[in-house]
Amino acid sequence: QKEVEQNSGPLSVPEGAIASLNCTYSDRGSQSFFWYRQYSGKSPELIMSIYSNGDKEDGRFTAQLNKASQYVSLLIRDSQPSDSATYLCAVILTGFQKLVFGTGTRLLVSP
Amino acid sequence: GAVVSQHPSWVICKSGTSVKIECRSLDFQATTMFWYRQFPKQSLMLMATSNEGSKATYEQGVEKDKFLINHASLTLSTLTVTSAHPEDSSFYICSARPGTSGGFEQYFGPGTRLTVT
Repeated sequence: QKEVEQNSGPLSVPEGAIASLNCTYSDRGSQSFFWYRQYSGKSPELIMSIYSNGDKEDGRFTAQLNKASQYVSLLIRDSQPSDSATYLCAVILTGFQKLVFGTGTRLLVSP
Repeated sequence: GAVVSQHPSWVICKSGTSVKIECRSLDFQATTMFWYRQFPKQSLMLMATSNEGSKATYEQGVEKDKFLINHASLTLSTLTVTSAHPEDSSFYICSARPGTSGGFEQYFGPGTRLTVT
């Protein structure tokens, strides 16, 4: 089992819809979770961090964490074509200081 | 806030030469910096983790004598690719973690595209 798993997509949604991106992780002791956005040919950009169970909202983005199910998700409301990118889920594993990334989910928002 | 810069943004060098890439945290002090490499359409691959004033910790399979990392200050880390070969051509990205944020957020530089001819 991979340490961080994401569906590679692409996930296609129409403009204005809610995009739901999902991520599961294998280390039950993990405490720190992140979502990054990466446009083609660019470096990753931090969107959200989440450390506690529940929801965390920032503008159009909501991160959801369920440690019992080892599941973290990112919701993007009112999706825009400019949101089209690869979204990377990252986790800090217990006892390590480095991020472990999923392979990313490619999101396509059509006008 | 939390801006990380890299220089150069792209570089072309001849096989056998060395290339140095600089990574700077512009508005925060970074106790830990990371170096990644990304090939086209592939995931980020962590190369090494460096803490200020300490030797870097390299990931398995990464040659420490080929990829020299120096983290001499809380705002600057450098990666030197020694005796570069065409297979070293890649997108090199650094990231930095603030030492005082209380969290573990990691901010990425814009990357350096290296082409070895």
